[in-house]
Amino acid sequence: EDQVTQSPEALRLQEGESSSLNCSYTVSGLRGLFWYRQDPGKGPEFLFTLYSAGEEKEKERLKATLTKKESFLHITAPKPEDSATYLCAVNSNSGYELNFGKGTSLLVTP
Amino acid sequence: NAGVTQTPKFRVLKTGQSMTLLCAQDMNHEYMYWYRQDPGMGLRLIHYSVGEGTTAKGEVPDGYNVSRLKKQNFLLGLESAAPSQTSVYFCASRPKATAAGTQYFGPGTRLLVL
Repeated sequence: EDQVTQSPEALRLQEGESSSLNCSYTVSGLRGLFWYRQDPGKGPEFLFTLYSAGEEKEKERLKATLTKKESFLHITAPKPEDSATYLCAVNSNSGYELNFGKGTSLLVTP
Repeated sequence: NAGVTQTPKFRVLKTGQSMTLLCAQDMNHEYMYWYRQDPGMGLRLIHYSVGEGTTAKGEVPDGYNVSRLKKQNFLLGLESAAPSQTSVYFCASRPKATAAGTQYFGPGTRLLVL
């Protein structure tokens, strides 16, 4: 059975303080790993797709990386508007289309 | 382009009542999904559809039924609501030709079952 674990559950950063969120996974045949952002009271918004170890994707202050066992979402010099819950999901050869982690709640203070 | 819309936004039901949640998308997407999101549980797939007239069970289908009579609409029904169905429900859609994880989500429906 696929497992997706995100850590930490919550993270508080000061504006400009860079950090990383972790998504570790155990799946049978990874087809893709996906990062989403979810603002309070809203639906998730797609950010990145990663397919193979070593792959990296960037968007503004965010960079997602992938290894054979985990993915990191690096946040460089975050701003308060980066505050949100970040969700990781995997698509594999088994199970349903997407298996979501429980998310990391990020708060960036001025 | 409204994207994915959900109605209602919020609803309170009594145990045993029934209701239907409506999801509509104007992007001509083939695939549509219903998820529920509970604190500490993450998003879980209830049912999904790969095209008009077809539906399939997801991870947590019990107590729910779905219908996809039109390509742009995906309905989620609760025949006899239970307190355990108190949750936030999200609908999502994607084109057939894209990766499974490139889904467009609606704003959600908050359901409280008393």
